[in-house]
Amino acid sequence: DTEVTQTPKHLVMGMTNKKSLKCEQHMGHRAMYWYKQKAKKPPELMFVYSYEKLSINESVPSRFSPECPNSSLLNLHLHALQPEDSALYLCASSQNSWGANTGELFFGEGSRLTVL
Amino acid sequence: KNQVEQSPQSLIILEGKNCTLQCNYTVSPFSNLRWYKQDTGRGPVSLTIMTFSENTKSNGRYTATLDADTKQSSLHITASQLSDSASYICVVSALVGGSQGNLIFGKGTKLSVKP
Repeated sequence: DTEVTQTPKHLVMGMTNKKSLKCEQHMGHRAMYWYKQKAKKPPELMFVYSYEKLSINESVPSRFSPECPNSSLLNLHLHALQPEDSALYLCASSQNSWGANTGELFFGEGSRLTVL
Repeated sequence: KNQVEQSPQSLIILEGKNCTLQCNYTVSPFSNLRWYKQDTGRGPVSLTIMTFSENTKSNGRYTATLDADTKQSSLHITASQLSDSASYICVVSALVGGSQGNLIFGKGTKLSVKP
């Protein structure tokens, strides 16, 4: 199983709603990531979890709240979002912390978020 | 400043033709270079990953080259198919502070394959 599964695939929410994006992997990876991607732009890193601990927060507004309940799951809690937060949110995982040296970075299919 | 530049920005080719996408980087210290294929609205899928010592790596009809001296990489697609229509993203990994790494994304090349 080399999959990173994200749910939901599509989400429409109002600015006062609270919703969550979910990500799951069963590859035994110990690093998990959230990226935000706007149309025609490359993915931008938001958060990195390493061994279930938040290791990087790229100055993301507090209306985005990540959570890593266990080594296989990663959530992104959304509250009081703005229309400009509409984007494709990608989850990724790698075998070790950052996976930068030799490890592959596996992406999920993404969750398309629209904020009205 | 670590940067990854890709060219062309977009490319249209006929089905069955070959094409080459370019990636130039100014990333130091260099760890590895990856090419990803991203279909519209989907997550990126890895095509190849190359370290400093690798010059060429193939994955089916995709062949990536790396020249670490000139800091250039190319992705060659042979006998293109309609399903090759996608964005191709070059990502370079920098070694920062020991085992921690940093991924620098290019803006991608949007390839359209026409029948």
